[in-house]
Amino acid sequence: SAVISQKPSRDICQRGTSLTIQCQVDSQVTMMFWYRQQPGQSLTLIATANQGSEATYESGFVIDKFPISRPNLTFSTLTVSNMSPEDSSIYLCSVEGLLAQETQYFGPGTRLLVL
Amino acid sequence: QKEVEQNSGPLSVPEGAIASLNCTYSDRGSQSFFWYRQYSGKSPELIMFIYSNGDKEDGRFTAQLNKASQYVSLLIRDSQPSDSATYLCAVKTGGFKTIFGAGTRLFVKA
Repeated sequence: SAVISQKPSRDICQRGTSLTIQCQVDSQVTMMFWYRQQPGQSLTLIATANQGSEATYESGFVIDKFPISRPNLTFSTLTVSNMSPEDSSIYLCSVEGLLAQETQYFGPGTRLLVL
Repeated sequence: QKEVEQNSGPLSVPEGAIASLNCTYSDRGSQSFFWYRQYSGKSPELIMFIYSNGDKEDGRFTAQLNKASQYVSLLIRDSQPSDSATYLCAVKTGGFKTIFGAGTRLFVKA
């Protein structure tokens, strides 16, 4: 199976700042997604990263707060902007379309703490 | 009604027993069903997928699908303490969107 990496793996940030999380896959994929998961809670889909066009955001998430880029079929970034302690969470990248399969595979996650 | 529902648990079983995890979904047009395991502090990892009614076995794991009842389950035979984790059910709906359940926490007691 393909390798999915995320950087950084964890970070501690001050409120009001922004953090960009990178997701890299070693094979081309059709779909890339960004999720948030707070401790003990379920996955919440933030958006679908679309190659060459604007991301598709889920209800409750907006581009100004979570700008997303996807310049090619193997890479995407999620920025958490103007952070507050409520943004403390694990952010997960997932991909779909590896080897033409429709299964989603997850990256290792980025653990974010906002002080 | 949630699109994908799971009992949050915790489900506690003794070592060596069969653990049965259940999931129901609301979209009758759903075609693909997945089970993920998530250890504490880790990201979800795929265990199995199933597309057709009936059973699908892979080692100690069996996925069962009943589209008429909109029900999918995961059986873990000979449960081990290392199976203790949260199990997420995921359903790809007729709209080609994957919806995750909230997960069931499983504890296997040694």
